[in-house]
Amino acid sequence: DQQVKQNSPSLSVQEGRISILNCDYTNSMFDYFLWYKKYPAEGPTFLISISSIKDKNEDGRFTVFLNKSAKHLSLHIVPSQPGDSAVYFCAASDEGGAQKLVFGQGTRLTINP
Amino acid sequence: GAVVSQHPSRVICKSGTSVKIECRSLDFQATTMFWYRQFPKQSLMLMATSNEGSKATYEQGVEKDKFLINHASLTLSTLTVTSAHPEDSSFYICSAGQTSGGVQFFGPGTRLTVL
Repeated sequence: DQQVKQNSPSLSVQEGRISILNCDYTNSMFDYFLWYKKYPAEGPTFLISISSIKDKNEDGRFTVFLNKSAKHLSLHIVPSQPGDSAVYFCAASDEGGAQKLVFGQGTRLTINP
Repeated sequence: GAVVSQHPSRVICKSGTSVKIECRSLDFQATTMFWYRQFPKQSLMLMATSNEGSKATYEQGVEKDKFLINHASLTLSTLTVTSAHPEDSSFYICSAGQTSGGVQFFGPGTRLTVL
């Protein structure tokens, strides 16, 4: 049972435009959500997180939106840069994130110059 | 963010041997560390939760006698793959969490290849 789903395995975006990565979840007990960026043969790098008490969190070029009623979150990157090309994983936790995370399958983002 | 290191970054071993992977939190104390594995083009799968001073908690389907976890201190957890076989070849990643902030920070990963 895939509790966290990223239905788009890949996404291509022109440099300077907005990248939108989507994530859906099924477990209503999840209360903390995170986005990680990962390069091949490296560990994931934390990007941004959001608690279920909020619906938006912004950090520089990265904004995460949470729609609890739809059990959906998205990561917006604007403007997109070539260095943003990587695999992006969303993750969820039901214990404030300090406990185990459930990851989506990942979306490979490619930023074209 | 906090720094987590792993050693070795890459290991090649013969079938039947054991391999130990170390995970260290360099600038914070972690009462809980996590071990994941990732197969090519797949997501990170949690293997076990490593608790300092107590036994690890393993996810369903993970053999605790094969994947030995020791959390000897607040900054070190080790994963030992015992009697490794080719199907154990994978990318193993550890993470450590800070209870404040709720974010897990990941190590760089260890690529294990069993011949």
